Amino acid sequence: DIQMTQSPSSLSASVGDRVTITCRASQSISNYLNWYQQKPGKVPNLLIYAASSLQSGVPSRFSGSGSGTDFTLTISSLQPEDFATYYCQQSYSTWTFGQGTKVEIK
Amino acid sequence: QVQLQESGPGLVKPSQTLSLTCTVSGGSISSGSYYWSWIRQPAGRGLEWIGRIYTSGSTSYNPSLKSRVTISVDTSKNQFSLKLSSVTAADTAVYYCARATYLGYYYAMDVWGQGTTVTVSS
Repeated sequence: DIQMTQSPSSLSASVGDRVTITCRASQSISNYLNWYQQKPGKVPNLLIYAASSLQSGVPSRFSGSGSGTDFTLTISSLQPEDFATYYCQQSYSTWTFGQGTKVEIK
Repeated sequence: QVQLQESGPGLVKPSQTLSLTCTVSGGSISSGSYYWSWIRQPAGRGLEWIGRIYTSGSTSYNPSLKSRVTISVDTSKNQFSLKLSSVTAADTAVYYCARATYLGYYYAMDVWGQGTTVTVSS
């Protein structure tokens, strides 16, 4: 199995901050990496696919980068609606999610 | 656009089989290059991928659940289903169905059902 490890598990940030979340795979997954946002009580929403491609309708303040084993999700200027939990997910082999990163208001 | 809706019992007894169905509306389950997936989320915890089925019927499962999981598709009803046998309290969770779309050589889950809560208890 490919294990996905996100860091940090949680973070506190202010509106307007630049936020970076990291996801590391236990083996190389090329760029078979997706990012999802989940707000409390809501359904996960696809943000980024193929490590760096922005899903249609997702604001451009979200961006993804990385390849191989190390990946990053960046929110360039945190907005009030961005406070949520973010998950990475690999689609290289049998799919797995990271454990999630909760972004909270400072 | 395509919408997914989970249905099934909200309460299952320990050792029994959990059975859920996902109904696809707004499009045919057998058209296009899609994987149809199940994901679950225990209360207050993260997402766990359960498995997927391709439109051709080929399946792939989470190794930790593989011995207990069956995913099938019924194209005549535009539905796909999940069966999880020998359930315990650890299987209590919100269960989501989702469609994974081929996005430029990669698959990602772009359409999700609203989720259904399943509790395992006697």
